Amino acid sequence: DAKTTQPNSMESNEEEPVHLPCNHSTISGTDYIHWYRQLPSQGPEYVIHGLTSNVNNRMASLAIAEDRKSSTLILHRATLRDAAVYYCILRRPNFGNEKLTFGTGTRLTIIP
Amino acid sequence: DAGITQSPRYKITETGRQVTLMCHQTWSHSYMFWYRQDLGHGLRLIYYSAAADITDKGEVPDGYVVSRSKTENFPLTLESATRSQTSVYFCASSELQVSGANVLTFGAGSRLTVL
Repeated sequence: DAKTTQPNSMESNEEEPVHLPCNHSTISGTDYIHWYRQLPSQGPEYVIHGLTSNVNNRMASLAIAEDRKSSTLILHRATLRDAAVYYCILRRPNFGNEKLTFGTGTRLTIIP
Repeated sequence: DAGITQSPRYKITETGRQVTLMCHQTWSHSYMFWYRQDLGHGLRLIYYSAAADITDKGEVPDGYVVSRSKTENFPLTLESATRSQTSVYFCASSELQVSGANVLTFGAGSRLTVL
């Protein structure tokens, strides 16, 4: 799987939008962009994924650059419960080999 | 209750002992995974399974054994525990999706300390 680069940590004020960047300059045309997050003392949880177009769900939005070499996870109104480590992962569909490789992610701190 | 459960949640053992961490999922997902998480290393894949009786090594399989006789269970065994295996272990499951979504659902984790 191609490599992703994320900042080690970010801070944001409560109730403000948060933009978490991810660079993936070696992404291939078939790689999906996945985001997971891990709250303190919990297992990771799925947030969102996309291929080319921007995506929205109840948790977040995913903005994908036109050249797909970077993407941004957007939390529209951060709460204290959004404090977590956020992982950006590339996944190339390969039926029979569905494992995900996690990096070290971005630790998001929310300031009350 | 539906979901993925791990047991035990906490375990302290001694070097050289055998330890088995259990993982059970109620969705009949095809894929199951074991990851370990250590400070400074993030999540690393130990073993995964595509279906009952089909398992494969991940990034850090040495010292671990897995089996999958039933779709819903995926136990991880440390045959002779070492201090370097002190870690938090996460089990996950997923269903193959044509879209490539491959959404993993994780358990709450098992914290293992080897003295």
